[in-house]
Amino acid sequence: GENVEQHPSTLSVQEGDSAVIKCTYSDSASNYFPWYKQELGKGPQLIIDIRSNVGEKKDQRIAVTLNKTAKHFSLHITETQPEDSAVYFCAASIIKGYGNKLVFGAGTILRVKS
Amino acid sequence: SAVISQKPSRDICQRGTSLTIQCQVDSQVTMMFWYRQQPGQSLTLIATANQGSEATYESGFVIDKFPISRPNLTFSTLTVSNMSPEDSSIYLCSVGAVGETQYFGPGTRLLVL
Repeated sequence: GENVEQHPSTLSVQEGDSAVIKCTYSDSASNYFPWYKQELGKGPQLIIDIRSNVGEKKDQRIAVTLNKTAKHFSLHITETQPEDSAVYFCAASIIKGYGNKLVFGAGTILRVKS
Repeated sequence: SAVISQKPSRDICQRGTSLTIQCQVDSQVTMMFWYRQQPGQSLTLIATANQGSEATYESGFVIDKFPISRPNLTFSTLTVSNMSPEDSSIYLCSVGAVGETQYFGPGTRLLVL
């Protein structure tokens, strides 16, 4: 079955610096890769996603890159701000007969120090 | 994106009892999913709630422990049965069409004593 590994487990950066979180997936049939941000006491919020026919996607300070050959995808946050502090989850999706199943990475705790 | 609400937002329960969690969406959706997030852990899919048919459970989860209802395209319930302290988790519902983005509700925080 699908397995998603996420690194690092914790990441501390200074405000204004960049943060990079990396994920690796196992199933080459995976075709959709969302990233979620979860703040304390809240449900996961989608922040950006990428499909397997695209190599890179950007939305203001956030970007995601996908390397299908290596089965890697990464989240890049530039000019980090204290409000970026949260837990970030990557996921990989494969379409099953009954729908799309998301398999999540273990999560990265991002701390932005001001 | 859809607006998703869950009830209750949190609860403290005694072992051996059952709790039913409700998930309401503000628009009709094809797929509804139930996840468990154990303390400090990632999200694990429990089951896919299908409208008009039985839920599809993932490996390690069974209907007797986590019965699910999906009476229409905007509502689903998950029951955590015969609870033990190991069931203490955040339970999340999400919605999404086949092959499309999933959006999550705020979660139900359950503590079993």
